[in-house]
Amino acid sequence: NAGVTQTPKFQVLKTGQSMTLQCAQDMNHNSMYWYRQDPGMGLRLIYYSASEGTTDKGEVPNGYNVSRLNKREFSLRLESAAPSQTSVYFCASSEVRRGKHGYTFGSGTRLTVV
Amino acid sequence: QQQVKQSPQSLIVQKGGISIINCAYENTAFDYFPWYQQFPGKGPALLIAIRPDVSEKKEGRFTISFNKSAKQFSLHIMDSQPGDSATYFCAASLNSGGSNYKLTFGKGTLLTVNP
Repeated sequence: NAGVTQTPKFQVLKTGQSMTLQCAQDMNHNSMYWYRQDPGMGLRLIYYSASEGTTDKGEVPNGYNVSRLNKREFSLRLESAAPSQTSVYFCASSEVRRGKHGYTFGSGTRLTVV
Repeated sequence: QQQVKQSPQSLIVQKGGISIINCAYENTAFDYFPWYQQFPGKGPALLIAIRPDVSEKKEGRFTISFNKSAKQFSLHIMDSQPGDSATYFCAASLNSGGSNYKLTFGKGTLLTVNP
């Protein structure tokens, strides 16, 4: 079972370059999320998608765009990378089952912007 | 505005000891409180969770204590083992419509269990 798959695992960008982080889940979950993790800051929500065709801003959306391509895939795009976007990015998906819900996270993309 | 405050930032415990991590929340609309465990180089993984109508939940060596009136909850790891060394995040969940729940995370606690 793959769960949530993120690509790439590592990336180095120059300031001003653009790139797209890919995320796919095979658990048939409706909701998907993008978080960034920085030392001492915990996990902060960038964007989320409650269902296919919908996306909403989270806590730190500036400088990012997202696309919910289909139920499986949710991509995060940096149009013009800045050093402040150096971080580890996690994609997650979630479901509600018998009143309980939990996120399944991918293994992360470590992004460095120089 | 930090909605979920977690302490301590780091914790060192001897093997066999009890590890205690505390969290406090502000928004009384939160309706689900999970804890996540993260090992280096990996994504967080759900460890244990509790609803606010329950004061305690135990799964093996892991226990959540919940105090609704104080808006606080804590994770207790009994008989801590070196393999428990990881970063632990508390979180609080809010229904944002339909079956979608947004998690707000604490800043994390780095637990080190010495052999």
